[in-house]
Amino acid sequence: KAGVTQTPRYLIKTRGQQVTLSCSPISGHRSVSWYQQTPGQGLQFLFEYFSETQRNKGNFPGRFSGRQFSNSRSEMNVSTLELGDSALYLCASSLPRQGQETQYFGPGTRLLVL
Amino acid sequence: AQKITQTQPGMFVQEKEAVTLDCTYDTSDPSYGLFWYKQPSSGEMIFLIYQGSYDQQNATEGRYSLNFQKARKSANLVISASQLGDSAMYFCAMREPSGGKLIFGQGTELSVKP
Repeated sequence: KAGVTQTPRYLIKTRGQQVTLSCSPISGHRSVSWYQQTPGQGLQFLFEYFSETQRNKGNFPGRFSGRQFSNSRSEMNVSTLELGDSALYLCASSLPRQGQETQYFGPGTRLLVL
Repeated sequence: AQKITQTQPGMFVQEKEAVTLDCTYDTSDPSYGLFWYKQPSSGEMIFLIYQGSYDQQNATEGRYSLNFQKARKSANLVISASQLGDSAMYFCAMREPSGGKLIFGQGTELSVKP
């Protein structure tokens, strides 16, 4: 079974631009969560989508948004990029099934904002 | 608020020896899940092991075992017979009851010496 895939793997943008990252979950998984990882703040939860609905949201400004499609693929968008948005963005998918709900992560997208 | 604490920023272990990575957690919810992930330099988060708050026995997965002490709120990861490929960052995480959000510790960088 294929794992979680994320595109693109690397991205360089300039301040003020916007960016869209894509995540395809493991087949059959309906929940997709997004995380931002930086050296200073560590791993922080952005949001979670389940059945095309945002179920959970982290403490990030409104410039960060996401959506999920009917095939469970998810995108996240960051508008008006700032230097501090440079990070590794990780996507994770899970079934979810009550009990374990293990999240399986993709390889991440490394975003550099210049 | 839920919190994960990993007090060891870095650790060294000799190849073929066992190593314990510490993790303590704080939550007032009776139902929670605890996870360990490995992150090599490539960036991908690899799921290692899971322990549910109601599980009676410590979880084991191959060379990985989780020393779960509920009263002490600790969930230490034990890696037996360390291998050079075990060199990586290791993160302890807790799942909130709502399901989709993982709270991560700051991580422990493990270096395995030949």
